[in-house]
Amino acid sequence: GNSVTQMEGPVTLSEEAFLTINCTYTATGYPSLFWYVQYPGEGLQLLLKATKADDKGSNKGFEATYRKETTSFHLEKGSVQVSDSAVYFCALIDSNYQLIWGAGTKLIIKP
Amino acid sequence: GAGVSQTPSNKVTEKGKYVELRCDPISGHTALYWYRQSLGQGPEFLIYFQGTGAADDSGLPNDRFFAVRPEGSVSTLKIQRTERGDSAVYLCASSPQGLAGVNEQYFGPGTRLTVT
Repeated sequence: GNSVTQMEGPVTLSEEAFLTINCTYTATGYPSLFWYVQYPGEGLQLLLKATKADDKGSNKGFEATYRKETTSFHLEKGSVQVSDSAVYFCALIDSNYQLIWGAGTKLIIKP
Repeated sequence: GAGVSQTPSNKVTEKGKYVELRCDPISGHTALYWYRQSLGQGPEFLIYFQGTGAADDSGLPNDRFFAVRPEGSVSTLKIQRTERGDSAVYLCASSPQGLAGVNEQYFGPGTRLTVT
């Protein structure tokens, strides 16, 4: 069945460091891929998305590229801020419209 | 505009009691989803409505769980004879359409249910 695997957290970085959160997926066909973010005390928010191979989603300085050959959708940011501290979820939407989620990666940015 | 709202934000109940959780989706969104999120895990799909009808309830764990959306907007998730294992954050999301594709789901803040 479809599944999403993302790196375990917490990931702790200093401000202005480079961020990578790995995400790989297993799916039939070519699902759309998403990164959602959950800030402390808030609901899940869509961060970025990609709908087909080689698409790059970007938002708020974050980027992720849909890599069909490696079935990956790694999240990157060149210079993180304290305000980026949150839990990040990788997800795919399958042919039945259901979102399939990774377990989430907690990101802690220290000033 | 207003986002997805959920009430109550927190609910503590005793084992065996009945609870109702409410979701107000974004106005005009035809699709509505319920998820359950346990600590340290991603959301787990429960049920999906397209309009008033439950298009897919395959994620409901057992017959103690039921959800309705009688007028195609507000939805209520109902849990009978609650068990301690039902403790989780229950999330609601809505989207403009429910078809497969890239329709973004907009999430509410969740209801934290604690069964003692």
